[in-house]
Amino acid sequence: TQLLEQSPQFLSIQEGENLTVYCNSSSVFSSLQWYRQEPGEGPVLLVTVVTGGEVKKLKRLTFQFGDARKDSSLHITAAQPGDTGLYLCAGPYGGTSYGKLTFGQGTILTVHP
Amino acid sequence: ETGVTQSPTHLIKTRGQQVTLRCSSQSGHNTVSWYQQALGQGPQFIFQYYREEENGRGNFPPRFSGLQFPNYSSELNVNALELDDSALYLCASSSFGPTDTQYFGPGTRLTVL
Repeated sequence: TQLLEQSPQFLSIQEGENLTVYCNSSSVFSSLQWYRQEPGEGPVLLVTVVTGGEVKKLKRLTFQFGDARKDSSLHITAAQPGDTGLYLCAGPYGGTSYGKLTFGQGTILTVHP
Repeated sequence: ETGVTQSPTHLIKTRGQQVTLRCSSQSGHNTVSWYQQALGQGPQFIFQYYREEENGRGNFPPRFSGLQFPNYSSELNVNALELDDSALYLCASSSFGPTDTQYFGPGTRLTVL
């Protein structure tokens, strides 16, 4: 089973600070995804990275896929209270995709005004 | 376009009982995947249904079973409930393909007493 380890598990910061969340594995993934989940809702896809070394930006969020495709990071610049939520990385379950995902344990981010 | 819906929103059962959770997939989607999310954890893949057949299963015992109907909606059944089954149950729908995006419903919160 391919495992994804996220760190840190909890992050509490002030508005305006920068932060990075890490997602690591000992296995190679064909792609990795990042989701954000708010209380009472299901995860919502933020980005998919598929190429080693790939960098994608979504407004203040920057996602990177490691060169060896074993890790990924999410960097948020100038965090805002609206960024508060559970951030999850996910990869194809069992090495295949077609909608079956294995998730990291998540990072709970709280941004204080 | 209607999103993924799940019912009921919350459910309380006692140990040993049986439960059925329901999911209506997003319009145009033919694949439904089910996940269990314990408090403070990432979702864990239970199984996937495609064309009314189970198409892959995670590390869950046989007392977790499912159905998919011709309209692509789906049910998750759990028999002989245990305390550890208390969790948020998420379904996600997609079109069947290697890179198709999963759209998650808001989940059903199951509490087993």
